[in-house]
Amino acid sequence: GQNIDQPTEMTATEGAIVQINCTYQTSGFNGLFWYQQHAGEAPTFLSYNVLDGLEEKGRFSSFLSRSKGYSYLLLKELQMKDSASYLCAVRDRGRTGGGNKLTFGTGTQLKVEL
Amino acid sequence: DGGITQSPKYLFRKEGQNVTLSCEQNLNHDAMYWYRQDPGQGLRLIYYSQIVNDFQKGDIAEGYSVSREKKESFPLTVTSAQKNPTAFYLCASSGGGVRGGNQPQHFGDGTRLSIL
Repeated sequence: GQNIDQPTEMTATEGAIVQINCTYQTSGFNGLFWYQQHAGEAPTFLSYNVLDGLEEKGRFSSFLSRSKGYSYLLLKELQMKDSASYLCAVRDRGRTGGGNKLTFGTGTQLKVEL
Repeated sequence: DGGITQSPKYLFRKEGQNVTLSCEQNLNHDAMYWYRQDPGQGLRLIYYSQIVNDFQKGDIAEGYSVSREKKESFPLTVTSAQKNPTAFYLCASSGGGVRGGNQPQHFGDGTRLSIL
């Protein structure tokens, strides 16, 4: 099976930078996704990493180290609207059925304050 | 616009009753998924389907059933055997076929199910 760990809650200040960590254990890693979810709404896709290194998309960046089973999501120039839950999800090549099946972490609730 | 439509947005179930949640997508995606989300928790996979007329159990399939008769549709039935059905149910779809590639899953707006 898989084990995905994220901090439960984080608080940051508007305009600041925040890093949300995700560690995982899996037998056949085949990609890691980050999603943003506002309360009561559907998750929306933020980023994807399958190779080691940093992927940058505007104010959001995501980093992956496969040897360490570690990823982080970096949010710059925080805005109040960034207050949401951030979900880390891992795809495992070895699971029966393969394909694009994901296992999600429990999410990190980020609160952005003035 | 292409997307995933879930209905209804809110649903109430009586004890011993089966209810069906609708999920329709016009993204031409092969794969579709059903997740359950409980307060303060992540998404847990109920069932998934990678192609029409085929589906697989996820991590918490007991008390649920699905069908995939059309590529666009993947309805979920919450049966009376599911003793704790109150949750937020999310449907998703993805392209890229069986291998998936780097295709993310796209989600519908969800159905909130409650017990009367």
